[in-house]
Amino acid sequence: NAGVMQNPRHLVRRRGQEARLRCSPMKGHSHVYWYRQLPEEGLKFMVYLQKENIIDESGMPKERFSAEFPKEGPSILRIQQVVRGDSAAYFCASSPKRTGGGGNQPQHFGDGTRLSIL
Amino acid sequence: EDKVVQSPLSLVVHEGDTVTLNCSYEVTNFRSLLWYKQEKKAPTFLFMLTSSGIEKKSGRLSSILDKKELFSILNITATQTGDSAIYLCAVEDYGGSQGNLIFGKGTKLSVKP
Repeated sequence: NAGVMQNPRHLVRRRGQEARLRCSPMKGHSHVYWYRQLPEEGLKFMVYLQKENIIDESGMPKERFSAEFPKEGPSILRIQQVVRGDSAAYFCASSPKRTGGGGNQPQHFGDGTRLSIL
Repeated sequence: EDKVVQSPLSLVVHEGDTVTLNCSYEVTNFRSLLWYKQEKKAPTFLFMLTSSGIEKKSGRLSSILDKKELFSILNITATQTGDSAIYLCAVEDYGGSQGNLIFGKGTKLSVKP
């Protein structure tokens, strides 16, 4: 019973480069959520996806950030032209159905990717 | 604006003590409240609460929700050093987004031997 798998665990990028963060949900889960955690701050919602669909991206910055969850393969959070302020821990969570919809199911989290921008 | 406030922000106790962590919330359309424990890695799920007054228990941990007063507490009895972690409270608001969680900043618990 593998949990939510994120990779890489740590990622170092220079300003202006691209960062790609991957998330494989738990087996049987089709809903994926991305959160960002800044130092001394709580987790902040970024985006919610189902297979091949972005359901809610209200927490995503309008520029440089994008996310996808293709039919095959992991969900990807992509950050283009990274800046120092993007340094944070990025967590992915998954659930078997929309949390709270027709039977509440909690979100389960991965270990996160710690992104450092030089 | 929806918000979740946890208190205290940090707490230091000795093994064997009992602790109570607090979480108050303001959300437009409450659906559920969740507690997570975060050590160095992934937040791990503890409890999901949807109904007022029904205590959920797991070993030395228990939690209860008061939807009238808009808060929840997490109790840990006979604390152990392994309980040291950040405890996160999150609320799901189904009125806006369709499933995202609104997190508090957490309570950092340190249990001394």
